[in-house]
Amino acid sequence: EVQLVESGGDLVQPGGSLRLSCAASGFTLSGYSMNWVRQAPGKGLEWLSYISSSTSTIYYADSVKGRFTISRDTAKNSLYLQMGSLRAEDTAVYYCARVPTRTYYYMDVWGKGTTVTVSS
Amino acid sequence: AIRMTQSPSSFSASTGDRVTITCRASQGISSYLAWYQQKPGKAPKLLIYAASTLQSGVPSRFSGSGSGTDFTLTISCLQSEDFATYYCQQYYSYPFTFGPGTKVGVK
Repeated sequence: EVQLVESGGDLVQPGGSLRLSCAASGFTLSGYSMNWVRQAPGKGLEWLSYISSSTSTIYYADSVKGRFTISRDTAKNSLYLQMGSLRAEDTAVYYCARVPTRTYYYMDVWGKGTTVTVSS
Repeated sequence: AIRMTQSPSSFSASTGDRVTITCRASQGISSYLAWYQQKPGKAPKLLIYAASTLQSGVPSRFSGSGSGTDFTLTISCLQSEDFATYYCQQYYSYPFTFGPGTKVGVK
């Protein structure tokens, strides 16, 4: 079964750091581009970051550029989001999602999400 | 960045109703549009991509249309499991923006 499982969400103080993980099963992560998307409590979906299958192309939303870093570990079949300089407005459920094609960036498989709370 | 809007933001409907949700892009995006369904506490689920292509396993009562700037998602005969929030997403250009969502509630 094709599956994504996020982990690493936690309560963190403003200004702190956190690394989210997304473990893939049922498919090889390196063969696909991937996205991170978040959803603040009671709000809509916000796209955050994209990494191509080759890792040669990486995009970030302006809201996280310079603070978050997307990466991948082929050996562990996992995707990561390193988050720094965290703010209260980064409080959200964070989802990883698979991009099924090389040229069209919609998302066909989503994890269940991991919750990040930024508060003192 | 391309801005996506949806209308209505919410409405109530009954099972068996035909439901239409509209999504508009601030500039032309050809057919680079996807629709997702999200239920409370759950991850989004892909329904339609390329504006009108039904994702495998999605019931045929869901359909999408449009190109350029104006798009619609139609549910031909609303079922109880369809009460949810629906989001459109453009993937024509980065950043890959979502619409604000349309909540379909029970009348």
